[in-house]
Amino acid sequence: GESVGLHLPTLSVQEGDNSIINCAYSNSASDYFIWYKQESGKGPQFIIDIRSNMDKRQGQRVTVLLNKTVKHLSLQIAATQPGDSAVYFCAEIPPWTPRTGNQFYFGTGTSLTVIP
Amino acid sequence: EPEVTQTPSHQVTQMGQEVILRCVPISNHLYFYWYRQILGQKVEFLVSFYNNEISEKSEIFDDQFSVERPDGSNFTLKIRSTKLEDSAMYFCASTGDYEQYFGPGTRLTVT
Repeated sequence: GESVGLHLPTLSVQEGDNSIINCAYSNSASDYFIWYKQESGKGPQFIIDIRSNMDKRQGQRVTVLLNKTVKHLSLQIAATQPGDSAVYFCAEIPPWTPRTGNQFYFGTGTSLTVIP
Repeated sequence: EPEVTQTPSHQVTQMGQEVILRCVPISNHLYFYWYRQILGQKVEFLVSFYNNEISEKSEIFDDQFSVERPDGSNFTLKIRSTKLEDSAMYFCASTGDYEQYFGPGTRLTVT
């Protein structure tokens, strides 16, 4: 199976600071990556995605960076807010096939705590 | 906004009993998935389903597990004889194009 891992299992930041969450993925053929946020007792929630033909993508307060050379993905959250406290997962998705669709392989997750 | 729904939200069962977890994927999606998340651990792929058959399954998805799409809207996961280690959150997901939508999960507790 695939292997996706995170460098930091926990991260605490002050409210208003920027957060950076890292992820290493294993399959160089993976061409699609997603960051998810998971709050306690809830399912994963899509935050932002990036395809392998890009190295950076920005959303609202979030930026994802992709370094295919070292198979590394990061999520940057600007001006972190208490509502950002959650576990963040990265997922790598190998190329779509007609039989399986998109297979998602998740990392362990980083727990982000925002200190007011 | 379309959403994946799951029922029940919490299921408690005794070891050895059969459970059926239910999901209603987004209506125009074609690919359906079940994932499992043991407390404190990562989300793990169980099975994918397309065109009324299993397209891929993980080593976790053994003979005790089965999936079914009994009608045009429901997608179920059955565990025939539950074990203590089956206690986990079970997430259903469906995919249209690329984005995969997750349901809120069913917490299964096996006692």
